[in-house]
Amino acid sequence: GAVVSQHPSWVICKSGTSVKIECRSLDFQATTMFWYRQFPKQSLMLMATSNEGSKATYEQGVEKDKFLINHASLTLSTLTVTSAHPEDSSFYICSAEPALQETQYFGPGTRLLVL
Amino acid sequence: KQEVTQIPAALSVPEGENLVLNCSFTDSAIYNLQWFRQDPGKGLTSLLLIQSSQREQTSGRLNASLDKSSGRSTLYIAASQPGDSATYLCAVKVTSGSRLTFGEGTQLTVNP
Repeated sequence: GAVVSQHPSWVICKSGTSVKIECRSLDFQATTMFWYRQFPKQSLMLMATSNEGSKATYEQGVEKDKFLINHASLTLSTLTVTSAHPEDSSFYICSAEPALQETQYFGPGTRLLVL
Repeated sequence: KQEVTQIPAALSVPEGENLVLNCSFTDSAIYNLQWFRQDPGKGLTSLLLIQSSQREQTSGRLNASLDKSSGRSTLYIAASQPGDSATYLCAVKVTSGSRLTFGEGTQLTVNP
């Protein structure tokens, strides 16, 4: 149980385009989902926390207009990188936390390459 | 602000060795601590979760201990195998419902 999926696993796009990444909890309802970014050889950096039906809370230094997060249901959160540029190339990982549990379950990650 | 540090950053051992990975945190008032494994290009797999009231957790060849007063946790891996090669991350949660704060990880290589 407690499986989180991400789609797509890989995406290559041209500079200036927008990219949407989906995060789904497959067998549980997630009241809270988290989006992380990871650069090579570095740890995870929390970008934002999203709660179903409300606006996401962004970490300091993360542009909310560039990284749009929507948590429309208890099983789906999306991250849209708007007008992507090469510096946005990274590994994006989501996690989901079930209600009344204090552990996060992580997705397999999405690698974004902006040319 | 909670900070998490992991030592060593990288470790290479021959197969069969017992090894210890270290994690320290600056604020001892934590809610829980979790150890994760990350394979290259993959997401995180939870290994062990220790609540603040617990001293250790065990799963198979893995044993994690927690000493809140000193701000330390260790992950002990017994009889290491090449399949254990991965990056190990520890993360702390300060309060119920709060974010996870991650360490930088220890990259482990077990040589056959």
